[in-house]
Amino acid sequence: SQQGEEDPQALSIQEGENATMNCSYKTSINNLQWYRQNSGRGLVHLILIRSNEREKHSGRLRVTLDTSKKSSSLLITASRAADTASYFCATAGSGNTPLVFGKGTRLSVIA
Amino acid sequence: DAGVIQSPRHEVTEMGQEVTLRCKPISGHNSLFWYRQTMMRGLELLIYFNNNVPIDDSGMPEDRFSAKMPNASFSTLKIQPSEPRDSAVYFCASSFLGGDNQPQHFGDGTRLSIL
Repeated sequence: SQQGEEDPQALSIQEGENATMNCSYKTSINNLQWYRQNSGRGLVHLILIRSNEREKHSGRLRVTLDTSKKSSSLLITASRAADTASYFCATAGSGNTPLVFGKGTRLSVIA
Repeated sequence: DAGVIQSPRHEVTEMGQEVTLRCKPISGHNSLFWYRQTMMRGLELLIYFNNNVPIDDSGMPEDRFSAKMPNASFSTLKIQPSEPRDSAVYFCASSFLGGDNQPQHFGDGTRLSIL
């Protein structure tokens, strides 16, 4: 069963604007991961945030995690046309359990 | 590192035919995952292996689907007989599963069309 639910399902913005995507989940997690999928390609890991972390940065990406609300957000600053892709959150339980992916947010950045 | 390699990239076949998808995981990874992606259902985990042993195949839709991992560097997903509703993109991913759930590395998928 899918645990992560991304919001919105689709987002269209102008180049240079910031894009924010949200993810909610239901059960306790060990970490939460964000992935990007370009059209016709596999998912690519972007960033991992552990359950004891609240915020993490990587380049133009900023991820927050609120375990009390069971939610995470991915912020892409100063978006570029090349950021156009689908973005997925995935939750990780403890030990050797597989990731559970959401259905993704389709981001379109218009030049 | 070449990453996860899947073959073929595209497969078009008639219903009733056997389909075999192949995957070479990243060397050193101990876990391999097969997913199916469709617009309607999103990304579904079909089966995953840990140290070449199938751990959870509850996502395999029917007995027509089977997967094997004869060694650490190769896995197959077979559909026999294939049906039009099996049309989807099938992804293989690998990772190192241990005390901390590590990121998965995906291949570029096999786009399967059953006519």
